[in-house]
Amino acid sequence: DAGVIQSPRHEVTEMGQEVTLRCKPISGHNSLFWYRQTMMRGLELLIYFNNNVPIDDSGMPEDRFSAKMPNASFSTLKIQPSEPRDSAVYFCASSGDGSGNTIYFGEGSWLTVV
Amino acid sequence: GDSVTQMEGPVTLSEEAFLTINCTYTATGYPSLFWYVQYPGEGLQLLLKATKADDKGSNKGFEATYRKETTSFHLEKGSVQVSDSAVYFCALKAGTGKLIFGQGTTLQVKP
Repeated sequence: DAGVIQSPRHEVTEMGQEVTLRCKPISGHNSLFWYRQTMMRGLELLIYFNNNVPIDDSGMPEDRFSAKMPNASFSTLKIQPSEPRDSAVYFCASSGDGSGNTIYFGEGSWLTVV
Repeated sequence: GDSVTQMEGPVTLSEEAFLTINCTYTATGYPSLFWYVQYPGEGLQLLLKATKADDKGSNKGFEATYRKETTSFHLEKGSVQVSDSAVYFCALKAGTGKLIFGQGTTLQVKP
């Protein structure tokens, strides 16, 4: 079975440019999560969706960040304009309903803003 | 709010040594508990989980028991290998569906 699919795997961009990260969750999963990982702050939950609806976006750092989930099989995380401090690994993850269901992670999008 | 606290790393062990990585949590209600592992340059993989008190999760020689009385979920392995070198994350998932991670513990196993 295909796991969570993220693209791009690696991106290097210049400060001020728009960055769009994409995610395809596991088919049948109705919860989707965006995490950011840095050395300084560890793993941070940015936002999560349930049935395509944003449930908690309290982790989104600022207005430069936005996330959408137009349908059950696709989500985007956009940064506009990007800044060097946004350099991190961004993980998308998905799961079924219920606290006992495992959350499965994609391989991450490694973003460098120069 | 809900939170997870792990022992600080790095933890450095010789091959075949016994491993314990401590994890305690704070949560309202009855969360599920997880250990994830991250190998260098890769994403997070589920290692094991437990969904209710006194459950023991196990996988690849690793074990952890959900202890409600001490709010703990310590990870153990009887004999580590060099290939176990990675970052280990303890996490809880409450009824809201949010997965909250500890800060991660780096394990280095030397031959």
